[in-house]
Amino acid sequence: SQTIHQWPATLVQPVGSPLSLECTVEGTSNPNLYWYRQAAGRGLQLLFYSVGIGQISSEVPQNLSASRPQDRQFILSSKKLLLSDSGFYLCAWSVAGNTIYFGEGSWLTVV
Amino acid sequence: DQQVKQNSPSLSVQEGRISILNCDYTNSMFDYFLWYKKYPAEGPTFLISISSIKDKNEDGRFTVFLNKSAKHLSLHIVPSQPGDSAVYFCAASAGGTYKYIFGTGTRLKVLA
Repeated sequence: SQTIHQWPATLVQPVGSPLSLECTVEGTSNPNLYWYRQAAGRGLQLLFYSVGIGQISSEVPQNLSASRPQDRQFILSSKKLLLSDSGFYLCAWSVAGNTIYFGEGSWLTVV
Repeated sequence: DQQVKQNSPSLSVQEGRISILNCDYTNSMFDYFLWYKKYPAEGPTFLISISSIKDKNEDGRFTVFLNKSAKHLSLHIVPSQPGDSAVYFCAASAGGTYKYIFGTGTRLKVLA
């Protein structure tokens, strides 16, 4: 069966520091991969999605970037964090446009 | 532009009664719809989906209804249980785009 893992689960970072959140999927090949963010009291905002290695689509202009160095690995990064980057970040996967499945989430607090 | 809207931020229902969560969308290209349940500090879990070729899909206590002409879908939970208390998100995608757009969520509280 397929599983998805993301880490770290919790992160407290100072303003201006870099960020790296990692996500891996097991049990499937060539998944579509996604990064979502849930800001406090708000819905799920799609940040990036990828349909293949090196193929990244950005949905909103922001201080973040994403990379997909391997088929089942998706990384969310920032060179310099802002206070507004705080939130709950979710990695997700899908196959062939069907149901999307989420990881456990990573809570980022920028101080 | 919010393409998927959940206009009720919260809902309270007595245990055993029906919970009805609503969702509206604006993009007529959406053809696949999903509902998720989310607890605090956890990832959303998939509940039920419906394709635009159907107007109803049922799975146990959960039923999703789709009204394409009104661009509206709803999730019915019968009977509601205290464990159903969570935030519920609806989501939509348009065929071939691989993008899933989520609503802002409705917090359901089932009172014992």
